[in-house]
Amino acid sequence: AQSVTQLDSHVSVSEGTPVLLRCNYSSSYSPSLFWYVQHPNKGLQLLLKYTSAATLVKGINGFEAEFKKSETSFHLTKPSAHMSDAAEYFCVVSDTRDYKLSFGAGTTVTVRA
Amino acid sequence: NAGVMQNPRHLVRRRGQEARLRCSPMKGHSHVYWYRQLPEEGLKFMVYLQKENIIDESGMPKERFSAEFPKEGPSILRIQQVVRGDSAAYFCASSPTTPTSGGEETQYFGPGTRLLVL
Repeated sequence: AQSVTQLDSHVSVSEGTPVLLRCNYSSSYSPSLFWYVQHPNKGLQLLLKYTSAATLVKGINGFEAEFKKSETSFHLTKPSAHMSDAAEYFCVVSDTRDYKLSFGAGTTVTVRA
Repeated sequence: NAGVMQNPRHLVRRRGQEARLRCSPMKGHSHVYWYRQLPEEGLKFMVYLQKENIIDESGMPKERFSAEFPKEGPSILRIQQVVRGDSAAYFCASSPTTPTSGGEETQYFGPGTRLLVL
């Protein structure tokens, strides 16, 4: 069985400052990990994914995440927030050989001008 | 290459009516998944289908919900006799293969259908 805990339900940052979204997971097997972003009334867009290759994963729009097995974490970061980053972010885990995605409850990001 | 398409985007039903949600996967994708997002929650897996087959419906409520993916046409999620608790966003995703076949596991999501039951 797998599960995801997103440690912050809301994160507020100023434009141009770093963003950190925290995610911890549990998985019985080797996990695949994803971050998706959902803008208001839009679908989910894949930001990045980890599938047992490099532990530092670079995604779209300047986001990156680091897989830390010892800490069972997959935190998402961006060095400089942009107004367009305001959205909801989901950390997602699946066992490597499973199709069922398990979603965290989401982190809502607001960006202050 | 068009992405996953879902329609309608918004659907309003009165209690007791039927809701039919449609999903057209990305071109070349033969695996379809439905997820439900209740307010203030993450998405929850409902069902996984391939053409003409339901592979896994372990996340579907036992009554009133059904899904199909016919040989021709979109996948359909059908909710009979809707109740207020069915109000949610329903997302469809597709993939070209599945991890169980050793293939690509990334699922590509549609924009969702937001169902409101009055």
